[in-house]
Amino acid sequence: DAGITQSPRHKVTETGTPVTLRCHQTENHRYMYWYRQDPGHGLRLIHYSYGVKDTDKGEVSDGYSVSRSKTEDFLLTLESATSSQTSVYFCAIRRTSGLSTDTQYFGPGTRLTVL
Amino acid sequence: GQNIDQPTEMTATEGAIVQINCTYQTSGFNGLFWYQQHAGEAPTFLSYNVLDGLEEKGRFSSFLSRSKGYSYLLLKELQMKDSASYLCAVSYFSGNTGKLIFGQGTTLQVKP
Repeated sequence: DAGITQSPRHKVTETGTPVTLRCHQTENHRYMYWYRQDPGHGLRLIHYSYGVKDTDKGEVSDGYSVSRSKTEDFLLTLESATSSQTSVYFCAIRRTSGLSTDTQYFGPGTRLTVL
Repeated sequence: GQNIDQPTEMTATEGAIVQINCTYQTSGFNGLFWYQQHAGEAPTFLSYNVLDGLEEKGRFSSFLSRSKGYSYLLLKELQMKDSASYLCAVSYFSGNTGKLIFGQGTTLQVKP
């Protein structure tokens, strides 16, 4: 258990509405990540953070923004949700220890449906 | 670019041994991970290889050949609970941090 929670766990919304997903961690890790998982595509990186107020884009960042005002919280925002953003969203933290310098551990996920 | 390939589906029998292969092409290689993901759940960390060779952890072993861009996950004494997706992920450096790129995952079905 990496002490990661995500909220909400399930959400149904309509096209064009804003949506914010929250990732919360209790272990003070510096690095946090947002992924989406879709059939046939595996896990794809949306955005990541390497510290408070320090974020950068991943491979599928269009239509998403993030914010990290506190170490423990990493927010993912869909400014205007589209049906193509229907997916399962996973947050991850990076735990550094010994040989495994960037093992990532995942939160439980948020299932988002955009109608 | 970065690319990872692994079989989409595999079937095996309870008590048997199964090998799940993963081939990759990446720049800035920094290690290879295997994750297990049960349906409807989050991926969980299984193993990490950064040096060539075999890493054994109970019933699970993982092998890496960096020169061939090849890894496999070996599951022994299969149990029904091993039915899951197995994700191969390559770690690489890009920008200011290490990142992971994932294969599409191999769905393993274990039959009685």
